[in-house]
Amino acid sequence: QLQLQESGPGLVKPSETLSLTCTVSGGSISTTTYYWGWIRQPPGQGLEWIGCVFHTGSAFYNPSLKSRVTISVDTSRNQFSLRLTSVTAADTSLYYCVSLWRATDAFDVWGQGTILTVSS
Amino acid sequence: QSALTQPASVSGSPGQSITISCTGSSSDVGNYNLVSWYQQHPGKAPKLILYEDTKRPSGVSDRFSGSKSGNTASLTISGLQPEDEADYSCCSYAGTTVHYVFGPGTKVTVL
Repeated sequence: QLQLQESGPGLVKPSETLSLTCTVSGGSISTTTYYWGWIRQPPGQGLEWIGCVFHTGSAFYNPSLKSRVTISVDTSRNQFSLRLTSVTAADTSLYYCVSLWRATDAFDVWGQGTILTVSS
Repeated sequence: QSALTQPASVSGSPGQSITISCTGSSSDVGNYNLVSWYQQHPGKAPKLILYEDTKRPSGVSDRFSGSKSGNTASLTISGLQPEDEADYSCCSYAGTTVHYVFGPGTKVTVL
């Protein structure tokens, strides 16, 4: 059964770069069934899609974040990563890594989430 | 601000049916049969409960059903149970530029 697990620093200073990693277990990241993505949820707010990547490295992003986001994949480690530059307090959120089921455009497996706080 | 609109809260008594609306536009909900719904209990990750407007993943109760009319999708929970108390969010595919948009979520309370 596919499982996803996020890891990250927990705290980042304003203007710095956020880096999170998601480890995929129970399946290969090189499958053609899924894209791999990130979704965030600010405290007390709704979900926001950040972007997705295919195992080939081809990625697509939320237009509102596109200038600051890079999502990459490491097939040798069965991991994918999120990089968000120039963070501000508005980027403080619970970050989830997800699998996007290509055939249905639905996010069918979610990690448990990792809290990222932006503060000096 | 979310691209899709949902009511902030809906409530019902055990055994009743409730419906949650998700309103978008002709660029997302109204243009694709690709609305998905997610259930999120407090402190937990969201769980996919409906996809492609009306389909249920394996293992999801048939008390959850979906429909759509124009730019508005709906989630109906029949035979409401205490464990249905959670937040429910809709999501729609919105084309190759915007890709995916979510609603703000609806808090369901079982009275």
